Amino acid sequence: DAGITQSPRYKITETGRQVTLMCHQTWSHSYMFWYRQDLGHGLRLIYYSAAADITDKGEVPDGYVVSRSKTENFPLTLESATRSQTSVYFCASSGDTSYGYTFGSGTRLTVV
Amino acid sequence: KQEVTQIPAALSVPEGENLVLNCSFTDSAIYNLQWFRQDPGKGLTSLLLIQSSQREQTSGRLNASLDKSSGRSTLYIAASQPGDSATYLCAVRLINTGTASKLTFGTGTRLQVTL
Repeated sequence: DAGITQSPRYKITETGRQVTLMCHQTWSHSYMFWYRQDLGHGLRLIYYSAAADITDKGEVPDGYVVSRSKTENFPLTLESATRSQTSVYFCASSGDTSYGYTFGSGTRLTVV
Repeated sequence: KQEVTQIPAALSVPEGENLVLNCSFTDSAIYNLQWFRQDPGKGLTSLLLIQSSQREQTSGRLNASLDKSSGRSTLYIAASQPGDSATYLCAVRLINTGTASKLTFGTGTRLQVTL
């Protein structure tokens, strides 16, 4: 099915572990984005990508790593998870600047 | 730095009322403005997209306007229903800063429509 999918939907991990959140889109959109949403902070941009092999930091990149070897995939890795990274993570994609953003359903991550 | 503010932060109205949600932004150098809806525990659903050259967009009972020069947008919901209860977010797409044009989100308006 066409769209943007995130996996897993829910994840519980322990402090210090590495965890990867997956994002896949089927439109061949150039732009992809990772946001986290926390009470009191709203949506904050972690990393974004303008095309395959082009990534850039957003507002809150510390502790996260991204890669984009293929246009359709944009995984987000927490190298060593901390409790402060407990959050809901949203991936989004967009075509050129005249397009809107489309968001995935989110991944609820709990770090214990 | 672009700042996006939404007023009111929360709103409760009886079913059937027409209502207006407000969004203001400080930098008019935008490509477009997008309104989203978010239900509790769910993702963001796009409602309307207005290009910077447009004045308004309509979809069913929803109408969004954009006044770029004054940095304002409104979302008008006609004949509200309990199913409209959700948080409404506006977001502006900035003209490129860095390698991609990014969305800046407003603070949101939490709407409750009562029977």
